[in-house]
Amino acid sequence: EAQVTQNPRYLITVTGKKLTVTCSQNMNHEYMSWYRQDPGLGLRQIYYSMNVEVTDKGDVPEGYKVSRKEKRNFPLILESPSPNQTSLYFCASSFLPQGQPQHFGDGTRLSIL
Amino acid sequence: DAKTTQPNSMESNEEEPVHLPCNHSTISGTDYIHWYRQLPSQGPEYVIHGLTSNVNNRMASLAIAEDRKSSTLILHRATLRDAAVYYCILSGTDSNYQLIWGAGTKLIIKP
Repeated sequence: EAQVTQNPRYLITVTGKKLTVTCSQNMNHEYMSWYRQDPGLGLRQIYYSMNVEVTDKGDVPEGYKVSRKEKRNFPLILESPSPNQTSLYFCASSFLPQGQPQHFGDGTRLSIL
Repeated sequence: DAKTTQPNSMESNEEEPVHLPCNHSTISGTDYIHWYRQLPSQGPEYVIHGLTSNVNNRMASLAIAEDRKSSTLILHRATLRDAAVYYCILSGTDSNYQLIWGAGTKLIIKP
């Protein structure tokens, strides 16, 4: 089954404790992206990647890192999480962003205390 | 970045057609029009997209105005499972083809 898989689905952690949210897709997509969704603010893009070893900042990259060493994986890294990064996070992928549908994961709900 | 304007919410009756409007008066020639929806507690789901011509798929139809400054998502026969937030999004060269999300329209389906 074609899918985007995020782990963990839920995480409660404390300020400053490094964490990684994994994202994996099995559709051989070149393009992958991370979004965060906050009440009243909609989805905002954090980082995106057009292909392996190619990543770019989205609208809200501060406090996040990403890597794209393999086509299928695009982990989101919070080196020193803070409470303002408490949010619902979505990973998405597509063949190319130009006019192609993006497939989304089920989301990761992070709470930073 | 090109922006879209959608009503905050709409109501419709089950098994009737639904027309969801979207205005995008600053659209440029290379901008695609995308529609996604997000059901409660789920990730966004692709619905349909188009560039200039009207488009149909198994989920919906997309009617694009001749001047491309507005579009309408048409759900031909709404069911309770279609209750969701529907997002109209443009992507093109200005945004490096990234999706810039607005607030969307919350569609309420009445039984």
